[in-house]
Amino acid sequence: DVKVTQSSRYLVKRTGEKVFLECVQDMDHENMFWYRQDPGLGLRLIYFSYDVKMKEKGDIPEGYSVSREKKERFSLILESASTNQTSMYLCASGVMGSYNEQFFGPGTRLTVL
Amino acid sequence: QKEVEQNSGPLSVPEGAIASLNCTYSDRVSQSFFWYRQYSGKSPELIMSIYSNGDKEDGRFTAQLNKASQYVSLLIRDSQPSDSATYLCAGLHSGGYQKVTFGTGTKLQVIP
Repeated sequence: DVKVTQSSRYLVKRTGEKVFLECVQDMDHENMFWYRQDPGLGLRLIYFSYDVKMKEKGDIPEGYSVSREKKERFSLILESASTNQTSMYLCASGVMGSYNEQFFGPGTRLTVL
Repeated sequence: QKEVEQNSGPLSVPEGAIASLNCTYSDRVSQSFFWYRQYSGKSPELIMSIYSNGDKEDGRFTAQLNKASQYVSLLIRDSQPSDSATYLCAGLHSGGYQKVTFGTGTKLQVIP
């Protein structure tokens, strides 16, 4: 079974703090993704990566950056957390190609005070 | 037009009935389509993938794809209370790379 893990299930941070969210997958997938999910807005893609050190902006990259130094690990960084970044953050991984099934981690519920 | 559209529901069906969940998509989405189930407070779980026109069955679940009408559906036969969840429709973006676009989900309630 595919396993995607995220570093924290719940996180509380203060405005202006730098926040790191980590994601690790154990299936040797090329693709990794970061989404945020908010009520009424659904899943929105922040960034994705299709290879080590490669990254592409998604639909809402502002205020975020990412890092992928190893194939299995994809980090999301909030450079200076703001209250409007309070959300559920979901990491996913998947194989390259048109089939592109994605498998999600358990999510991190981030609250910025 | 949204890239992937779903009725938010809730869709209520009695236990044992067939639940029918529908999704339409724009020209910016193509090729591959997915259905995810998401329980409250949990992350999405992939339950069906469909890549060509027609029906695909897996147990109590049947996914249907009609590319001419740009329409995807998920049928759940013999609905159980444990099927109560939000169902997300998703499709592979036409623009390249590996971007998948998600609908906002339909909430299904199966009444015992």
